[in-house]
Amino acid sequence: NAGVTQTPKFRILKIGQSMTLQCAQDMNHNYMYWYRQDPGMGLKLIYYSVGAGITDKGEVPNGYNVSRSTTEDFPLRLELAAPSQTSVYFCASGVGGTDTQYFGPGTRLTVL
Amino acid sequence: DQQVKQNSPSLSVQEGRISILNCDYTNSMFDYFLWYKKYPAEGPTFLISISSIKDKNEDGRFTVFLNKSAKHLSLHIVPSQPGDSAVYFCAATSDRGSTLGRLYFGRGTQLTVWP
Repeated sequence: NAGVTQTPKFRILKIGQSMTLQCAQDMNHNYMYWYRQDPGMGLKLIYYSVGAGITDKGEVPNGYNVSRSTTEDFPLRLELAAPSQTSVYFCASGVGGTDTQYFGPGTRLTVL
Repeated sequence: DQQVKQNSPSLSVQEGRISILNCDYTNSMFDYFLWYKKYPAEGPTFLISISSIKDKNEDGRFTVFLNKSAKHLSLHIVPSQPGDSAVYFCAATSDRGSTLGRLYFGRGTQLTVWP
């Protein structure tokens, strides 16, 4: 049972490049979330999904897109990378409601 | 606008003593609160939670206290151990009536427990 896995661990992008951050969970959780954590700040919700085929925006969705074609996977897409997207990105999953969320180890992204 | 505030970015405590981490919130709709612990290069892990219908929840060395009138909660760690050194995030949600569980996080407090 690997829990929540994220790839890559680190990435440097040039302004305007695109990339997809991968997230997978093997706990059969319906709910999945993407957060970003800027230096000295708390985690902010980017997008979330309540099940395959269903996604919705969080607090800071601009510049990102998501899809959820399976229960296990929830990739986050950056189309035109900007320096403001330099951050650590965490994926999480859970059964929903007030139950705990399980986080992946994070992807550290730098946009230069 | 920060709805969950952790005003102390760091706390240093001697091993064996009590660590008290504080958290304030502004949204009176929040009705469930959680503490997460984060080690470097890892994702946050759930530590303890409390519902707004309670004022205290205890789990081993960890106790969370909730003061709804003051919109304040605190995490007590007794006794503190060097392995407790980590960043602690306070989180809150107002989604108790729904199934989403969207969390709002504070900025975190770096706890250092020294021998």
